[in-house]
Amino acid sequence: DAGVTQSPTHLIKTRGQQVTLRCSPKSGHDTVSWYQQALGQGPQFIFQYYEEEERQRGNFPDRFSGHQFPNYSSELNVNALLLGDSALYLCASSDRRQGNTEAFFGQGTRLTVV
Amino acid sequence: AQSVTQLDSQVPVFEEAPVELRCNYSSSVSVYLFWYVQYPNQGLQLLLKYLSGSTLVKGINGFEAEFNKSQTSFHLRKPSVHISDTAEYFCAVSEGGSYIPTFGRGTSLIVHP
Repeated sequence: DAGVTQSPTHLIKTRGQQVTLRCSPKSGHDTVSWYQQALGQGPQFIFQYYEEEERQRGNFPDRFSGHQFPNYSSELNVNALLLGDSALYLCASSDRRQGNTEAFFGQGTRLTVV
Repeated sequence: AQSVTQLDSQVPVFEEAPVELRCNYSSSVSVYLFWYVQYPNQGLQLLLKYLSGSTLVKGINGFEAEFNKSQTSFHLRKPSVHISDTAEYFCAVSEGGSYIPTFGRGTSLIVHP
């Protein structure tokens, strides 16, 4: 079992650009959540996808959007990048159908906006 | 809405000494509680979780935590730490039926030889 995999591992973008981050959930998991972790902070919830729909959203602007595919994998898109978007972006998966609330995390994508 | 307070941003300790990392939460409903560990430049790994039942929860790497409902606390303990335990530790809470944990700001455990 490969666990939760994220790509790329590191990324450098210029202010104003757009970025797409990808996540494959743990085998058998159907729910994907995205978190932003700024340096020295705890992860902050961005949004969660289940059955290809955004189910819940944290306090993040519309520049942050996402998608979930039929195979449960997910993308996080950020438009009009700001310097403050520099952070570690974490993907977590869980198995909602089994009522399992434990979230398994990937290694994260380190985004640097210059 | 739930929230988590980790009372110490940094805890220095000598190797083989005991350690306690403190966590308090607030919620108006029943909760699930978690401790995660994050090593440098890595994602989060689950140490232990409390869903229901016994209030003393044992996890991986010799860690344990005790759920205290009256004090709304979920402190993490280890009787004897190793150098390899040096990492960032996050307490998290999710309300019953939710799949979205809310994290504290983290406690940096620094183990000195």
